[in-house]
Amino acid sequence: NAGVTQTPKFRILKIGQSMTLQCAQDMNHNYMYWYRQDPGMGLKLIYYSVGAGITDKGEVPNGYNVSRSTTEDFPLRLELAAPSQTSVYFCASSYLAGVGNEQFFGPGTRLTVL
Amino acid sequence: QKEVEQNSGPLSVPEGAIASLNCTYSDRVSQSFFWYRQYSGKSPELIMSIYSNGDKEDGRFTAQLNKASQYVSLLIRDSQPSDSATYLCAVNDGGATNKLIFGTGTLLAVQP
Repeated sequence: NAGVTQTPKFRILKIGQSMTLQCAQDMNHNYMYWYRQDPGMGLKLIYYSVGAGITDKGEVPNGYNVSRSTTEDFPLRLELAAPSQTSVYFCASSYLAGVGNEQFFGPGTRLTVL
Repeated sequence: QKEVEQNSGPLSVPEGAIASLNCTYSDRVSQSFFWYRQYSGKSPELIMSIYSNGDKEDGRFTAQLNKASQYVSLLIRDSQPSDSATYLCAVNDGGATNKLIFGTGTLLAVQP
């Protein structure tokens, strides 16, 4: 199993550009999450999904959108990129909610907005 | 607002010593507690999970949970230079969506 995969690994955007960060998992996990991590900080939840067709906002959703058409894929869309969106983005997944269901992380996408 | 607090460090210990990392959380309904290790430039890697009060041991790692004090810790015995990393404490928010609340992490430096 590849686990959680993310593409691209690195990206530089100009202010106002848009892009989609890709995330896929092959573990048949129902729950998927997008986090951002700023330097010296913990992870902040952007959006999450509890299954195909179901998404909801996390702590810092402004400037982002998500969709989940399949169990495997959970892309994150940035519209009108701003310097404040410069960060490292991690996708994670877990099988279920509740005690014992750990989240597993992808390798991350490092995004710079200039 | 639900919070998870960690000392930011850096925590410096000599090789072979015990490293003690601490974490407090604000939400009493939390039921699942995790320690992730994050090397510089890499993604978080789960190293320990704990769900019941008391100690849980896995090799050189011991997680300790005290729900009454809302406190969780990680002990690393016989610390090695390869343990040098940022350790993130994460707490489940107790809801049906398995959301995690992360601390800002403690940077551990093991000196050879």
